Amino acid sequence: DAGITQSPRHKVTETGTPVTLRCHQTENHRYMYWYRQDPGHGLRLIHYSYGVKDTDKGEVSDGYSVSRSKTEDFLLTLESATSSQTSVYFCAISVLPGRVSYEQYFGPGTRLTVT
Amino acid sequence: TQLLEQSPQFLSIQEGENLTVYCNSSSVFSSLQWYRQEPGEGPVLLVTVVTGGEVKKLKRLTFQFGDARKDSSLHITAAQPGDTGLYLCAGLDRWNKLSFGAGTTVTVRA
Repeated sequence: DAGITQSPRHKVTETGTPVTLRCHQTENHRYMYWYRQDPGHGLRLIHYSYGVKDTDKGEVSDGYSVSRSKTEDFLLTLESATSSQTSVYFCAISVLPGRVSYEQYFGPGTRLTVT
Repeated sequence: TQLLEQSPQFLSIQEGENLTVYCNSSSVFSSLQWYRQEPGEGPVLLVTVVTGGEVKKLKRLTFQFGDARKDSSLHITAAQPGDTGLYLCAGLDRWNKLSFGAGTTVTVRA
């Protein structure tokens, strides 16, 4: 258990509304990530953070923004939700056990439906 | 375009049989990680392979990293129904970002 929680776990929203998903970690890890998972695509990186207020875009960042004002929280915002953003969203943290290779650990996910 | 190609996409076998999942790429990775995911849950890390040619064993699961650090395989011996799940491979680049394959759905029938 990497101490990662995501909220909400499920959300249904209407097209055009803003939505914010929260990822919270309890172990002070520097790196945090947001992914989306869709059938046939595996997980695709949306945004990531390498420290407080340090974020960068991933592979599928259009339509999403992030913020990290505290080490423990990484927020993902859909400014104006679209049906193509219906997906399962996962947050992850990165750790370096034994200084061999970074490894990522995932939260339980948020299922978002945009109607 | 998926950076990592996994095959097969689906695999259904009888309990006790063996199976192999392949993960191939044209890119070199710092390390390669295998995850298993069950419905409604997040992926769970199974193993990380770092060195070209490395072989790691986890009970009935054997993981291999190609010599050129571009491909990997997962072999399960004497599969059990509890092995059912979505298996994902992911390559770590030098910027500490993972690229995932599309996944292999494994079903082991009792």
